[in-house]
Amino acid sequence: IAGITQAPTSQILAAGRRMTLRCTQDMRHNAMYWYRQDLGLGLRLIHYSNTAGTTGKGEVPDGYSVSRANTDDFPLTLASAVPSQTSVYFCASSATPGNSPLHFGNGTRLTVT
Amino acid sequence: AQRVTQPEKLLSVFKGAPVELKCNYSYSGSPELFWYVQYSRQRLQLLLRHISRESIKGFTADLNKGETSFHLKKPFAQEEDSAMYYCALNGQGGSEKLVFGKGTKLTVNP
Repeated sequence: IAGITQAPTSQILAAGRRMTLRCTQDMRHNAMYWYRQDLGLGLRLIHYSNTAGTTGKGEVPDGYSVSRANTDDFPLTLASAVPSQTSVYFCASSATPGNSPLHFGNGTRLTVT
Repeated sequence: AQRVTQPEKLLSVFKGAPVELKCNYSYSGSPELFWYVQYSRQRLQLLLRHISRESIKGFTADLNKGETSFHLKKPFAQEEDSAMYYCALNGQGGSEKLVFGKGTKLTVNP
């Protein structure tokens, strides 16, 4: 089934550890995004990529990095996790940057202790 | 700057009652607006977009540029409508990034 796959589904991580959240899409979408979802704060954009080889910062990029080596993969890395990064992380893609609808993954629930 | 405001964090109605989830936006240009829905334990998915002017699952939303609103409405709520609803805005020719509101959790009681 075409769509977005995120891994892991959930993770408990000790503060200070490095963690990479994986995201893969098979729809050949150009644009990909990482959002975090927090109660009362909604969805906030962390980083995005309009096309393979390019990335940009969203609303809350600090503490996170991304890469877009190819069209399908858009991993999100936490270099040194902190408790405030406890959240549910959603990867999304759209056919083109801008106003085309987003397709979301199932999310990764991350707890930093 | 783009901003989306959903004034209600929680909304509770009874089955069969009308429901309206409010969304106001701030954007100087011509916006494109969306409603996304997240049912329990499921991924976020697009519910509808204003340019389509369609009704999905009985929901409609009309863009009111004068009031800068894009409220989501359904005349008769069903229990299966219980979910988290997010209004989102994309500025045409602008930031190329979707900005979401903080969401409204709708509960439809039997």
